[in-house]
Amino acid sequence: GAVVSQHPSRVICKSGTSVKIECRSLDFQATTMFWYRQFPKQSLMLMATSNEGSKATYEQGVEKDKFLINHASLTLSTLTVTSAHPEDSSFYICSARRGQGESPLHFGNGTRLTVT
Amino acid sequence: GDSVTQMEGPVTLSEEAFLTINCTYTATGYPSLFWYVQYPGEGLQLPLKATKADDKGSNKGFEATYRKETTSFHLEKGSVQVSDSAVYFCALSDVGAGNMLTFGGGTRLMVKP
Repeated sequence: GAVVSQHPSRVICKSGTSVKIECRSLDFQATTMFWYRQFPKQSLMLMATSNEGSKATYEQGVEKDKFLINHASLTLSTLTVTSAHPEDSSFYICSARRGQGESPLHFGNGTRLTVT
Repeated sequence: GDSVTQMEGPVTLSEEAFLTINCTYTATGYPSLFWYVQYPGEGLQLPLKATKADDKGSNKGFEATYRKETTSFHLEKGSVQVSDSAVYFCALSDVGAGNMLTFGGGTRLMVKP
């Protein structure tokens, strides 16, 4: 069964509002989680690395004030899209690594965000 | 930096046809290689991985061999089914890059009955 739960799976919001996406590791502790964004017909792009108890590490070009990441516990990371705009509409996926090193990544089922 | 290049889709096949999806990579270190599959409406799943040269990953009839000399990790299946229709992503994980995943662009496979 799923080992990483992502919620919600779909969300529609109005332009200017904020949306929070949760990513939970269900039966393991994940000190590090990753947030990806998938544009239509394009590959996954890493947005940021979420570290439990410290600030997230953002990839170049990702606005940290717009995409707020909080990793408050070893099983939960949240991504908040603040003041969303239509161009933020996308598919967001989180992942977590069980263990260290070459342990496989487990992915959530993703969140389809539509900003109207 | 690291990069992954895979054939553009969509790839359309008839049921029971042979499948090959090409994947080549560039990496500064000695990466691990993966094939992920994304079924419609679902998250990514990890069907295959290989961690060193000449390793062959296999899962549910899919196979891929890590070819260091050609920097390739082509995905193959001898007889595809309609249920194999999905988007396939080739990816690498490089210790030199903190084990982060670098994805290819994805290849959509459509299998017709």
